[in-house]
Amino acid sequence: AQTIHQWPVAEIKAVGSPLSLGCTIKGKSSPNLYWYWQATGGTLQQLFYSITVGQVESVVQLNLSASRPKDDQFILSTEKLLLSHSGFYLCAWSLGLGAINQDTQYFGPGTRLLVL
Amino acid sequence: GQQVQQSPASLVLQEGENAELQCNFSSTATQLQWFYQRPGGSLVSLLYNPSGTKHTGRLTSTTVTKERRSSLHISSSQITDSGTYFCAMERRGNEKITFGAGTKLTIKP
Repeated sequence: AQTIHQWPVAEIKAVGSPLSLGCTIKGKSSPNLYWYWQATGGTLQQLFYSITVGQVESVVQLNLSASRPKDDQFILSTEKLLLSHSGFYLCAWSLGLGAINQDTQYFGPGTRLLVL
Repeated sequence: GQQVQQSPASLVLQEGENAELQCNFSSTATQLQWFYQRPGGSLVSLLYNPSGTKHTGRLTSTTVTKERRSSLHISSSQITDSGTYFCAMERRGNEKITFGAGTKLTIKP
């Protein structure tokens, strides 16, 4: 069975400090991968997607970057956190063409980030 | 850009009542999906419904593409249905999803 793991579960960081969030998918080869961000009480915003290793597309500019160093790994990072980066980060995977298709998109448990 | 509007913003019902959630989108979406977010954050896909009517369990979604709207009907609501329901659209294959603001559903005993 496929599993999706995100780390860390939660993080409290200072403004200006670096950040690295991780996502690993096990049990599926060559999935499409996605990063989403949700401000507290807000809607979800797609940040990045990746169709293949080494290839990442940015959807929204939030002073964040993403990388896919391995087929089953997706990393979200920044060198300098802003207060506005606080929120809930979700990683997801799907198969098939497009982020929305009849093959369900599966989400990780998420990482809560508080920037002070 | 793509826009998705959901209504109502919040809905409070008694257990056993039916819930009706609405979603309107700005362009002729080719892909549309309903998602559910549990209190506490985890997200699950509910129904993929780019057009027509789809059912799963107590959920029914009807999407009328030409009218750029979709609805999600929850029959015989249960306390565990409480949470936030999001509608999301994507132009076929472009990998970019736009979510609505969500409908927060509260089911009371």
